[in-house]
This record gives sequence, C-alpha cells and structure tokens, in this order.
Amino acid sequence: NAGVTQTPKFQVLKTGQSMTLQCAQDMNHEYMSWYRQDPGMGLRLIHYSVGAGITDQGEVPNGYNVSRSTTEDFPLRLLSAAPSQTSVYFCASSPGHTQPQHFGDGTRLSIL
Amino acid sequence: GQQVMQIPQYQHVQEGEDFTTYCNSSTTLSNIQWYKQRPGGHPVFLIQLVKSGEVKKQKRLTFQFGEAKKNSSLHITATQTTDVGTYFCAGILGDMRFGAGTRLTVKP
Repeated sequence: NAGVTQTPKFQVLKTGQSMTLQCAQDMNHEYMSWYRQDPGMGLRLIHYSVGAGITDQGEVPNGYNVSRSTTEDFPLRLLSAAPSQTSVYFCASSPGHTQPQHFGDGTRLSIL
Repeated sequence: GQQVMQIPQYQHVQEGEDFTTYCNSSTTLSNIQWYKQRPGGHPVFLIQLVKSGEVKKQKRLTFQFGEAKKNSSLHITATQTTDVGTYFCAGILGDMRFGAGTRLTVKP
C-alpha cells in the first residue's frame, strides 16, 4: 500500500549541479504532477502529465524537465541547480486532472 | 496568471474557538478541493465541492462553495489541538492552482 513514493527525502546540491527527483505511484493513476512549496506561497505547479507520453508545463516550469515513459513513474530533472530552486518538492497523482490528488512525502532540496 | 486567493495567512485560536478560512477566485471554478497539511507532512485531501451553493460537513468541519462558484470557505467548530496545520484550497484555472494556505495554530 505504498501510494506515491518520492526519493530522495533530502538532498543538498551545489549551484550548477543537475539531479533527478524520483516519483513513483502504484495506484494506476493517469494524472501526475510536481509542485514546489515555498513559505507563504502555497503549492505551485511545475509540470504535470495526463498520461504516459504526455507532459505539460504548469505555473513555474523554468529550470525543470519531466518525462513520463510509464504510467507509474514521473521523474523531475533539475538541469542546472540554482539557489532559487531551494524548496520542498511534492509529487502527486490522481485518476484524472479534476480529481483529488494523493501526495508523496516530499523531497527537501537545498541548493548552495 | 490567474490565482486562487486565500485568507487569512495565519490564524491563532484558543482551543474551543471556531476557525474559518476563505478562498476566492476571479474566475468560475469547475470544482474546489480542500487539503490539510500537518507540520512537516504532506497535503492530505479533505473534500471536493462541485455544485453551486454546495455545503458539506465532516464532523466539526463545514465546507461551502459559493453560488457563483468563485469562492469557498472551510469552517471548523470548537477547534482542537489535532486541527493544527495548514489548510489549502485548490481549483482548476487551466491547470491546478492552490491558495497560499491558512496556517492554524491552537493554544490548549
């Protein structure tokens, strides 16, 4: 009964490094999304996917890439980390884009 | 871009007092969802409202969706320490948009 699994839970990067945040769900949900959460700003949508092979940009997509090769996995890539990307990142999934979302535990990312 | 506005940002209450958070959009929403995030945790879905003027209750929590489907509220009656956390509303404005959240603290 895993739900949405995010790895790693914590990560520290240096400016300019790249990395991939992993997200996997075992509920056969079509819709998956990535959010970043910063103090006082709620959750802001980075990228989302309505199904395997389909991705689209959200509110704050710059500096991030995604792909959706399978229904289960939706990795988020930081191409060249910047201090402004220090945040808590949440992955979520749902059966459809209008339906309630199930969130992972989050990845706390610090960029030095 | 289009936003979902939520107030207040913070609310501190004495245990037993009531609490209300408000959500507002300039655009009609197809539905609105409410989530709760405990300190250090992840958002957890509470409820979804779809119909104009809809009111739903979950024990001490009452959720309302406005007649014009542009605003919503969450009211907690007689708060308890277990209610502590941040409450978010979320609606679809092209893509999913969350309000900034209302952080509730409860003094025993």
